[in-house]
Amino acid sequence: DAGVIQSPRHEVTEMGQEVTLRCKPISGHNSLFWYRQTMMRGLELLIYFNNNVPIDDSGMPEDRFSAKMPNASFSTLKIQPSEPRDSAVYFCASNLGTGDTGELFFGEGSRLTVL
Amino acid sequence: AQSVTQLDSQVPVFEEAPVELRCNYSSSVSVYLFWYVQYPNQGLQLLLKYLSGSTLVKGINGFEAEFNKSQTSFHLRKPSVHISDTAEYFCAVSESNYQLIWGAGTKLIIKP
Repeated sequence: DAGVIQSPRHEVTEMGQEVTLRCKPISGHNSLFWYRQTMMRGLELLIYFNNNVPIDDSGMPEDRFSAKMPNASFSTLKIQPSEPRDSAVYFCASNLGTGDTGELFFGEGSRLTVL
Repeated sequence: AQSVTQLDSQVPVFEEAPVELRCNYSSSVSVYLFWYVQYPNQGLQLLLKYLSGSTLVKGINGFEAEFNKSQTSFHLRKPSVHISDTAEYFCAVSESNYQLIWGAGTKLIIKP
């Protein structure tokens, strides 16, 4: 069984550029999560989708960040324009959704460096 | 509000020695408790979870954890560690909704 697939694994870009991170959740999973991990702040939930609908985006840092889930098998997290403080590892995770007990299946992450 | 405290940011231990990674939480309601492991340059994966029932929970790779309601703790243990256990370990709490509250993580450093 394929796990959660994220791309790119590594991205180096310059300040001001647009960055798009991609995620394919596990087939059959109804919930999708985007997390950000940094040394200073640890793991932060950015946004949570259930059945392709954004349920909680209170963790999205600011308007420069946006996320979409056009269908059950694909999601994107976009940063425009990017800033050096956005440098982090971004994880996508999925699970079965409603009624699930909290077990999350994580992708391997996208390491973003903004110069 | 819920919170999770992992008391040690790093735990060095000799190979084949026992280890305990500590986790305390605060919550006013029943919770589900989790330990996740993150190997270098990888995502997190579930090590074990407590939902209900027996307070001693066994997970993968020989790890176990004990839920102590009176002390609001969920410490992770392994009787004999291996070099391959080198990783960061995260404790997390869920109040039956989608939101997991994460601890800051504990890096397990195995000394040869």
